[in-house]
Amino acid sequence: NAGVTQTPKFQVLKTGQSMTLQCAQDMNHNSMYWYRQDPGMGLRLIYYSASEGTTDKGEVPNGYNVSRLNKREFSLRLESAAPSQTSVYFCASSEQASGNSPLHFGNGTRLTVT
Amino acid sequence: AQSVAQPEDQVNVAEGNPLTVKCTYSVSGNPYLFWYVQYPNRGLQFLLKYITGDNLVKGSYGFEAEFNKSQTSFHLKKPSALVSDSALYFCAVRDANNFNKFYFGSGTKLNVKP
Repeated sequence: NAGVTQTPKFQVLKTGQSMTLQCAQDMNHNSMYWYRQDPGMGLRLIYYSASEGTTDKGEVPNGYNVSRLNKREFSLRLESAAPSQTSVYFCASSEQASGNSPLHFGNGTRLTVT
Repeated sequence: AQSVAQPEDQVNVAEGNPLTVKCTYSVSGNPYLFWYVQYPNRGLQFLLKYITGDNLVKGSYGFEAEFNKSQTSFHLKKPSALVSDSALYFCAVRDANNFNKFYFGSGTKLNVKP
């Protein structure tokens, strides 16, 4: 059982380039999330999708777009990368948006923008 | 507003000794509290949660957490630390008004020395 799978694992971009981070889950979860992790700041929510066909902004959405392609897949796009977007990006999923359901995380994408 | 604080960036403990990783929270409404562990180059893994009920919650790998409403704390504990417990630990609170939002602490690095 793969859980949450993210690709790529590593990426280096030049300022202004674009890229899409891919995420897929095989647990039939309704809710999916994108977080970024920066040293000393914990995880911050970029965007989330409560169900197929819906997306909403989190704490730090500027500079990002998302697509919930189907129930399994949730992608994150950087249209014009900036050095401030250097970070580790984590995709997560949850069975449903209830108090009981924990998040299940992928192994992350380490992005460097030069 | 919901928030969590982890006052210690790092905790050092000898193998076999008890360990405590501290977390305090601020919520409006009922607290939905979680602990996650992150090993190097991996995503976060769910350890345990407090939703309601007993103040002592048991989780994975022998960890437990004590919920204290009067002190607004949710400290992670283990009676006897293992070297393999060395990792980064995150406390998180779920937004009671929007279950899609988690707020993470900044993380505590646990070092267990042989």
